[in-house]
Amino acid sequence: AQSVTQLGSHVSVSEGALVLLRCNYSSSVPPYLFWYVQYPNQGLQLLLKYTSAATLVKGINGFEAEFKKSETSFHLTKPSAHMSDAAEYFCAVSRNYGGATNKLIFGTGTLLAVQP
Amino acid sequence: DAGVTQSPTHLIKTRGQQVTLRCSPKSGHDTVSWYQQALGQGPQFIFQYYEEEERQRGNFPDRFSGHQFPNYSSELNVNALLLGDSALYLCASSLARGTNTGELFFGEGSRLTVL
Repeated sequence: AQSVTQLGSHVSVSEGALVLLRCNYSSSVPPYLFWYVQYPNQGLQLLLKYTSAATLVKGINGFEAEFKKSETSFHLTKPSAHMSDAAEYFCAVSRNYGGATNKLIFGTGTLLAVQP
Repeated sequence: DAGVTQSPTHLIKTRGQQVTLRCSPKSGHDTVSWYQQALGQGPQFIFQYYEEEERQRGNFPDRFSGHQFPNYSSELNVNALLLGDSALYLCASSLARGTNTGELFFGEGSRLTVL
């Protein structure tokens, strides 16, 4: 079975500070890993994805994440937080079926607050 | 290029009633998945439809059913509503074939309140 654990349901940073949102996964097969962002009263938007290519993945809005198999982690970072980054962030895992669509297993989310 | 569209955006029902939610996938996509997101939680997989058949199902009771039409649009039906069914219901579309990497495109959701 696959699962995702997001450490820290709430994270608060100052504008301009480093953003670090933690995600650890469990998977018995090579995983696909994703970070999605959800703004209030909206659906989920894909930030970035890991699909067994480069371990350092760059996404939209200056975010990036590094796949570390030895640590079973896929933490999300951004060097400098902006007020517009305030949102809820979800890490998700799915099985690598070589292209076939599969269900995503989501973590419980991390609510990011950015202080002026 | 239209993204995933869902309707209605908000609705209120009472316990025991039935509800139907609708979803049109992103242009070119052939697979629709439904998720339930309770307040303060991550989305939970309900089921997935491809070629008008349910292909995968999560841990949800039979009160939750769905359908996919020839144009790839989909409906989610919930019977005998319970208070615990109150949630944001998200539809996501994807492409089963080709070089996709499992990425899902989400709609903005239908928020169901059961009183």
